[in-house]
Amino acid sequence: DIQMTQSPSSLSASVGDRVTITCRASQSISSYLNWYQQKPGKAPMLLIYAASRLQSGVPSRISGSGSGTEFTLTISSLQPEDFATYYCQQSYSTPRTFGQGTKVEIK
Amino acid sequence: EVQLVESGGGLVQPGGSLRLSCAASGFTFSNYWMNWVRQAPGRGLEWVANINQDGSQKYYVDSVKGRFNISRDNAKKSLYLQMNSLSPEDTAVYYCAREGGLWFGELFETWFDPWGQGTLVTVSS
Repeated sequence: DIQMTQSPSSLSASVGDRVTITCRASQSISSYLNWYQQKPGKAPMLLIYAASRLQSGVPSRISGSGSGTEFTLTISSLQPEDFATYYCQQSYSTPRTFGQGTKVEIK
Repeated sequence: EVQLVESGGGLVQPGGSLRLSCAASGFTFSNYWMNWVRQAPGRGLEWVANINQDGSQKYYVDSVKGRFNISRDNAKKSLYLQMNSLSPEDTAVYYCAREGGLWFGELFETWFDPWGQGTLVTVSS
C-alpha cells in the first residue's frame, strides 16, 4: 500500500498569510494526487485534482503543485473560510490512501 | 444538481450487521466507479471499498475484507455497503463518493467528487 504523509499535522496562521502544506508519497505516484478540504461536521470537498488542477468553483488563491513523491498545497492569502482540515489522497493504486490531515487554525 | 445521500447508519452491537445505502441523483450513476470512505471520530479519512460501473469489480481495504460487501443497483441509482461482524473499530461516519476521472495525455486521473453527507455507524454494547 502507498503511504501518504502530510506535514505539518497542524498550523496556526492569520488571515492574509501564505500557507503551504506538504504531502509525501511512499513511492512515485506521478500526478495522481488530490487535495480535499473538510470543515467540522461536513463532508470533504475536492479542491485540487491531478496534483495541480483547480476544481470548478474553488478560489484561485488555492493551488497545488508537485509530481512523483512530493506535493504541495498552497493558499496564497488565507481567508476566514479557509480554516479547516486538508487531506491529500493518492489515486495511483488501490487501496486509495489519504494523508493524516493538516488542521489549519486561526492564530 | 449532483447529489449523494447516505442512509442506514445507527447503533449496533459488536458482532452485528448493518446495511448502508447511498442514493444518487443528478448524474448517470451507471457510468461511474463508486466508493465508500469512513472517518472514525476525531480521526482522518480511510478508504473502505469501491465498485466498478457494472458491479463486476470490487476492492476492499484489508481491515474489512471478508466482512463487508459493496454492491450497487444501477436501475435504482443506489450504492450499498453490507457490513457484518462489526467491531467497535468500525465506528465511524461512512461517506459514499463518486469517482470521477479524465484523461490528461496518457494518464487517466481520478478523484472523489462529490461526497454524500455521511451516515454515522456506532458499534457498541
